[in-house]
Amino acid sequence: AQKITQTQPGMFVQEKEAVTLDCTYDTSDPSYGLFWYKQPSSGEMIFLIYQGSYDQQNATEGRYSLNFQKARKSANLVISASQLGDSAMYFCAMREYGGNNRLAFGKGNQVVVIP
Amino acid sequence: NAGVTQTPKFRVLKTGQSMTLLCAQDMNHEYMYWYRQDPGMGLRLIHYSVGEGTTAKGEVPDGYNVSRLKKQNFLLGLESAAPSQTSVYFCASFPSGRTYGYTFGSGTRLTVV
Repeated sequence: AQKITQTQPGMFVQEKEAVTLDCTYDTSDPSYGLFWYKQPSSGEMIFLIYQGSYDQQNATEGRYSLNFQKARKSANLVISASQLGDSAMYFCAMREYGGNNRLAFGKGNQVVVIP
Repeated sequence: NAGVTQTPKFRVLKTGQSMTLLCAQDMNHEYMYWYRQDPGMGLRLIHYSVGEGTTAKGEVPDGYNVSRLKKQNFLLGLESAAPSQTSVYFCASFPSGRTYGYTFGSGTRLTVV
């Protein structure tokens, strides 16, 4: 069964606008972590942000914030003030603490920032 | 520079050939992982290791073997390559006792013709 779901089609975003990328997850483990990674056209995986299941506050890292709604099992990424360099594929991933630290990835969201 | 190094970066194989992908990390991480990335599929776990001398199957292990004889190295083998194994392969490592801190290699682009 798919643990991470990212269903949005490719998105075009105007430069300086905010964009929200949806991610829902499925787990029965009470302890888990949620991650977002960026993959530009050059191919490397770049860590953006992390949210632990017991964290009381939503995670933020610069222009990235994670809208964590535990009851709805959603972990949406918000990128504020989009820049041309934000054009990339974005992956949501989950680590279940009882799962040997394996990361399960969603299928990704393609974002293109237009000037 | 500390990190995860994957060798080779690119490779073209003929169907039926064998090859080994090398993943080396110098951060003393306990956990190591091999993923494959195909268009529209995200990253899928092939095999992983929780420490030197251990290996375990992931989500898509068929057609691959792995070994971790030394803590710093995690090898992924294809005994008889098939076109369905054309993919980009990523290695990642993770330290024990942490909540986050995965380090990914830069990937190996493999084409099987």
